[in-house]
Amino acid sequence: NAGVTQTPKFQVLKTGQSMTLQCAQDMNHEYMSWYRQDPGMGLRLIHYSVGAGITDQGEVPNGYNVSRSTTEDFPLRLLSAAPSQTSVYFCASSSPGAGPGYTFGSGTRLTVV
Amino acid sequence: AQKVTQAQTEISVVEKEDVTLDCVYETRDTTYYLFWYKQPPSGELVFLIRRNSFDEQNEISGRYSWNFQKSTSSFNFTITASQVVDSAVYFCALSYTGGFKTIFGAGTRLFVKA
Repeated sequence: NAGVTQTPKFQVLKTGQSMTLQCAQDMNHEYMSWYRQDPGMGLRLIHYSVGAGITDQGEVPNGYNVSRSTTEDFPLRLLSAAPSQTSVYFCASSSPGAGPGYTFGSGTRLTVV
Repeated sequence: AQKVTQAQTEISVVEKEDVTLDCVYETRDTTYYLFWYKQPPSGELVFLIRRNSFDEQNEISGRYSWNFQKSTSSFNFTITASQVVDSAVYFCALSYTGGFKTIFGAGTRLFVKA
């Protein structure tokens, strides 16, 4: 099992550029989420999805879009990158029937210059 | 409002000491889940434990133990006989709204010196 796969691992963007962070899981988990981690602030929820076709906003959704067309994939789109979006991004998946807790991807370190 | 507070920003101990990481939470939900995660220097997030709000039994797993007290809204984590490999950032988290949303504390960085 690959678990949760995030690509890319590192990315540098210029202000105003757009990009998509990819997240895929092979555990048939219903729930998927995106978090950003900033120094001293823990992880903050950006968007989450409880199943294909269903998404909702978390704590810090501004500047990000998501969609969930399949159970496996949950991409995060940055529409117009800003330096404030410099962060480490984690994707996570879980399913109550699959066991406790969240499974996290290895993270994407994004720098916006 | 939902909130998780980890008041200890950094803790430094010498190997073999016991250490307790504090976690205090706030929620209006009657059904919720509490988690602890470990983030070693390599950066990945490692799930350690989940507790639901109806299960106040303490849990022990090897050198790790967790104390859940609803009366004080606390879910503390103790490492017995700490080891250098325990050096990491530890996050406490609260999951609510049926488990759909999770909020994290700011984390406690633990240094274990040889």
